[in-house]
Parts: sequence; C-alpha cells; structure tokens
Amino acid sequence: EDQVTQSPEALRLQEGESSSLNCSYTVSGLRGLFWYRQDPGKGPEFLFTLYSAGEEKEKERLKATLTKKESFLHITAPKPEDSATYLCAVRTYSGAGSYQLTFGKGTKLSVIP
Amino acid sequence: NAGVTQTPKFRVLKTGQSMTLLCAQDMNHEYMYWYRQDPGMGLRLIHYSVGEGTTAKGEVPDGYNVSRLKKQNFLLGLESAAPSQTSVYFCASSYSPSSSGNTIYFGEGSWLTVV
Repeated sequence: EDQVTQSPEALRLQEGESSSLNCSYTVSGLRGLFWYRQDPGKGPEFLFTLYSAGEEKEKERLKATLTKKESFLHITAPKPEDSATYLCAVRTYSGAGSYQLTFGKGTKLSVIP
Repeated sequence: NAGVTQTPKFRVLKTGQSMTLLCAQDMNHEYMYWYRQDPGMGLRLIHYSVGEGTTAKGEVPDGYNVSRLKKQNFLLGLESAAPSQTSVYFCASSYSPSSSGNTIYFGEGSWLTVV
C-alpha cells in the first residue's frame, strides 16, 4: 500500500527564518510527486511536480527537491504570506491504464512577523 | 479563467436527504475527480472519471454516486446523507496522467454538513 508521511505536522517560523518541510513516501512505481499549497477555506493550489530523483524546482522563496524516498520543500526567508498548509502527493501507476494519487496529511506552516 | 468551479459552496442537509454537488471545468481535461477532506485524514479520493461517460471508484466510494454525462461536468450525488458524510468536498481535473502537463487542478471546495 502506498504511504505518504509529511513532517512536521505544524511549523512556526519567525519571518526570515528558513526551514524545510519533509515528505517521505513508500510507493511502487512513482509517476510524479506533487506539492500543493492550501489556504484556509480554499482548494489546494498547485506548486510543483517532480518526477525523478535529483530533480529540483524553484518558485520565489520555495524550492522542492526529490530523492528516491523523500521530497523536501525548502522555504528561504519566509514571509507571513507564506503561512498555509502544504500538501504532498504521490502519483503511482496501478495497472490497466489506471493511476492513483495519494496525499499526505499536510504541514501547517505559520510565519510570525 | 474559471478553472474548476463547484456548486454549491455551502449546504446543510438533514440525515436521509439527498443532494448533488456540481463540478464544471473549462480546461478540456479528460480526467475528473471528487475528493473529501477531513481533519487529520488528508484528501481521500471518492470517485473519478477518465472521460465522458466513464466513472470509477476511489478509496472511499460508499454512500456516493457520480455521473459524467458531459466532458466538462462531473456530478457527485448523496442518495441518503449520513452525519459521517459531513466534510469538505473538492472536485479536481487533469489531462491524462500519461501525458505531459498532467497537473491536477482543484476547485474551491464545497462545505457539507449533515445534521
């Protein structure tokens, strides 16, 4: 069974204090790892897709990296507007043309001014 | 750009009542999905569709039915609502996972309370 574990569950940072969120996964046949941002009362907003170990992607203060067992979302010099819940999801191929997307429970990030 | 639109946004039902959540996407995506999100449980797939006229069960399908009569619409029905179906429901859509640009885009959510 595919498993996705995000840590920590919650993270409080001072504005400007860089840190990383972790997404570890146990799957067979990874077909992509997705990062989303979710604000309270809103739907998940797409951030990145990573496909292979060693791949990195950046967007403003965010940088996502991927290894064979985990992904990190690095946040450099965060601002209060970066406060949100960050979701990780893995896509796997389950045969017969069918794909499955499994989400982690998310990390709630709070950035204090 | 509308993207993925869900209606209604909020609804309160009595146990045993029925209702339908509507989802529309304007991105010409083949795949559409219905998820529910509960505290401490993360997003769980209810049903999905790989194209017009097709539907398939996800992780938690019991108590729900779906239909995809048109490519742009995906309907989620509750035949006899139960308090356990109190949740936030998200519709999503994407191109085929085997194609490039297969990002899954989500709607804004529908808050359902069953009393």
